[in-house]
Amino acid sequence: EAGVTQSPTHLIKTRGQQVTLRCSPISGHTSVYWYQQALGLGLQFLLWYDEGEERNRGNFPPRFSGRQFPNYSSELNVNALELEDSALYLCASSSGQGNSPLHFGNGTRLTVT
Amino acid sequence: SQELEQSPQSLIVQEGKNLTINCTSSKTLYGLYWYKQKYGEGLIFLMMLQKGGEEKSHEKITAKLDEKKQQSSLHITASQPSHAGIYLCGADYSGAGSYQLTFGKGTKLSVIP
Repeated sequence: EAGVTQSPTHLIKTRGQQVTLRCSPISGHTSVYWYQQALGLGLQFLLWYDEGEERNRGNFPPRFSGRQFPNYSSELNVNALELEDSALYLCASSSGQGNSPLHFGNGTRLTVT
Repeated sequence: SQELEQSPQSLIVQEGKNLTINCTSSKTLYGLYWYKQKYGEGLIFLMMLQKGGEEKSHEKITAKLDEKKQQSSLHITASQPSHAGIYLCGADYSGAGSYQLTFGKGTKLSVIP
């Protein structure tokens, strides 16, 4: 069974630019979660999508947005990039059953210069 | 202060030694998840604990949940170099399962051959 896949693996952008990160969940999983792991800040919850709808978002500004497609894959968009957006962005999926654990991808390493 | 504190922040042990990592919550826990992360990669699910007093084991790793103390411990017996990595605990504070986990900052484990 293929795991959660994310693309690209690495990305370098300039401050002010926009970026799109992609995630494909495990087959059969309907929920997708995005987390940011910045140096010194730990893993921070960004967004949760289920059945194509945004269910919850963390304490991040509106320039962080995303969507989930009918095939349950997801995109994370970040507009007007700032230096502090440099981080590892992790996508996770779950079956949506209450206690099912999150399964994470290997992440996209974003560097903003 | 952090809702979820992990201790120690880092740990260096000789191969073959036992070790314990703790995760303490300042709020009521509905569930506690343990993950392992290799540097710059995704998280690998280890175990999920939901009930006070619950204890789970997988190979040489045992995790317990102390409901009264709002604390979980992860114990590794006879450590091996393959155990090296960053161990993260994630808390479910909503009671709705693994949605929007709050993570600790992690414990970095190094195992010296």
